[in-house]
Amino acid sequence: DQQVKQNSPSLSVQEGRISILNCDYTNSMFDYFLWYKKYPAEGPTFLISISSIKDKNEDGRFTVFLNKSAKHLSLHIVPSQPGDSAVYFCAASEKGGNTPLVFGKGTRLSVIA
Amino acid sequence: NAGVTQTPKFRILKIGQSMTLQCTQDMNHNYMYWYRQDPGMGLKLIYYSVGAGITDKGEVPNGYNVSRSTTEDFPLRLELAAPSQTSVYFCASSYVGAGETQYFGPGTRLLVL
Repeated sequence: DQQVKQNSPSLSVQEGRISILNCDYTNSMFDYFLWYKKYPAEGPTFLISISSIKDKNEDGRFTVFLNKSAKHLSLHIVPSQPGDSAVYFCAASEKGGNTPLVFGKGTRLSVIA
Repeated sequence: NAGVTQTPKFRILKIGQSMTLQCTQDMNHNYMYWYRQDPGMGLKLIYYSVGAGITDKGEVPNGYNVSRSTTEDFPLRLELAAPSQTSVYFCASSYVGAGETQYFGPGTRLLVL
């Protein structure tokens, strides 16, 4: 039973346009959410996070939106750059980050120049 | 500051063989984790540790053992390798909270034939 779902295995976007990656979750106890980025042959690296007390968090070109009622979060990348091409994992945790992370399967983003 | 290091990078094992995957972090993090990532899948937690001498099972612990004798090291032991353990293994660490931002190593690719 997948508690964190990334239903789009892949996404292609033109350079300069917006990339929107989506994530749904089923566990209503999740209250802390993170996005990780992974390049081939490397470990995942932390990108951005959001607590359930917020509905938006911004860091440069990256913005995460949280819709608690829909149990949905999204990562927006504006503008998209070729270096953003990677696999993006959504992850969630309970108790303000005090339980182990549960990861989605990832979405492969390709930014085309 | 090397972060999280893992050895070896790649290994081929025969069925029934044993091996230890090494993980070391130099960030003085209390929490350490072992994940496996199968093709097209997310990261699944094998074991984690909240500090030296304390370990706990994750989602997929069967066939693995861990120990945590120091803050820095968290080795993962495979006693009787099986083809189902073919995967990429990632070690990670975090300062506080099992669900807080984790820092990942580069991974160990294991092939069991």
